Amino acid sequence: EVQLLESGGNLLQPGGSLRLSCTASEFTFTSYGMSWVRQAPGKGLEWVSTINTIGAATYYADSVKGRFTISRDNSKNTLYLQMNSLRAEDTAVYYCAKLSGGSGSPHFDYWGQGTLVTVSS
Amino acid sequence: EIVLTQSPGTLSLSPGERATLSCRASQSVSSSYLAWYQQKPGQAPRLLIYGASSRATGIPDRFSGSGSGTDFTLTISRLEPEDFAVYYCQQFGSSPRAWTFGQGTKVEIK
Repeated sequence: EVQLLESGGNLLQPGGSLRLSCTASEFTFTSYGMSWVRQAPGKGLEWVSTINTIGAATYYADSVKGRFTISRDNSKNTLYLQMNSLRAEDTAVYYCAKLSGGSGSPHFDYWGQGTLVTVSS
Repeated sequence: EIVLTQSPGTLSLSPGERATLSCRASQSVSSSYLAWYQQKPGQAPRLLIYGASSRATGIPDRFSGSGSGTDFTLTISRLEPEDFAVYYCQQFGSSPRAWTFGQGTKVEIK
């Protein structure tokens, strides 16, 4: 069974930085595009970022472009999200999600359980 | 940017009833690029339907998807107690590359 385990969520002040990690197992990590999707408290789902299989192509939602950086370490089966210049509106549960194929795949077939990021003074 | 609008916001039904959820796109969406997810409180979303009408692995056949162009539908033929949840539609845009969700429909017990 595919497993995605996020970590790194925390409480921090506006303007701060944080790095989230997602460790993947039980599938060939190098064959799939990977994404981050977030959900603010009581709200819907918002796509954040996607990376291709080798980390050479990345895509971002306008709301995080220039502040967040997605990356992956295929030797460690791990996906990352570096979050800088954090704002209160970035408060959310951040989910790691596996695409059904490469970075041009249209849907997410597996999700982690999420990690909570709270930005508050 | 394509906007997905789901209706109704909340659907109040009894177990055994039929649920019909709508997802309308602001522009035409390829059927291959439309998916549905289920999310229960405190849990991650789960893929139900992809390609507008294909059930994901392990999804019961009481869930079905249909539609094309700008109008898509998720139907639950007979609601089971475990089906009460929030449902999201999602589309993929290839240029620029982006994944967009609808705002969700909550199916609650009447």
